[in-house]
Amino acid sequence: EVQLLESGGGLVQPGGSLRLSCAASGLIFSNYAINWVRQAPGKGLEWVSGISGSGGRTYYADSVKGRFTISRDNSKNTLYLQMNSLRAEDTAVYYCAKDVVDTAMGSWGQGTLVTVSS
Amino acid sequence: QSVLTQPPSVSAAPGQKVTISCSGSSSNIGNNYVSWYQQLPGTAPKLLIYENNKRPSGIPDRFSGSKSGTSATLGITGLQTGDEADYYCGTWDSSLSVYVFGTGTKVTVL
Repeated sequence: EVQLLESGGGLVQPGGSLRLSCAASGLIFSNYAINWVRQAPGKGLEWVSGISGSGGRTYYADSVKGRFTISRDNSKNTLYLQMNSLRAEDTAVYYCAKDVVDTAMGSWGQGTLVTVSS
Repeated sequence: QSVLTQPPSVSAAPGQKVTISCSGSSSNIGNNYVSWYQQLPGTAPKLLIYENNKRPSGIPDRFSGSKSGTSATLGITGLQTGDEADYYCGTWDSSLSVYVFGTGTKVTVL
């Protein structure tokens, strides 16, 4: 059974940084593209970033481009999201989600809450 | 701001059927497969439909998907109280090179 476990969320001041991690088990990690998806309180889903299985291709939403960096360590079965220059509007639950096919995310973690506030 | 538009809410009595529409454009739904996700209150989203009309293992056939042109539809038959949730469509947008989710639809069982 595929399991994804996010960590690293918390309270950070505007302008600060945070690094999220997503530890995966139950799969050949390097075979799959993985995404970060966030959900602000009471709002809908927003795709944030995605990375190919090898890590060679990365994609970002315009709202985070230049501030967030997605990466992965396939030797550790772990996905990362480095978040810099955080803003209040980045406050959300952040999920990691594994592609089952190119246009569908078949496995999701439980999420980690990021709160950006002074 | 999402590029995929869904109705904010739909409702029906137990046992009835509901359909949820998802409207996009040629750069997203028109040229890519559509997925549907169910998010029960307080939980992570779950994949219901992928590649327009395929169901992952364990998803009952009460859930169905279809696509025509730049729109997609999720159907739920034999509505149950456990189906009360938020539903999102999603697909890749080839022009923007981003994945896009719909605005979300809340299903209420009357």
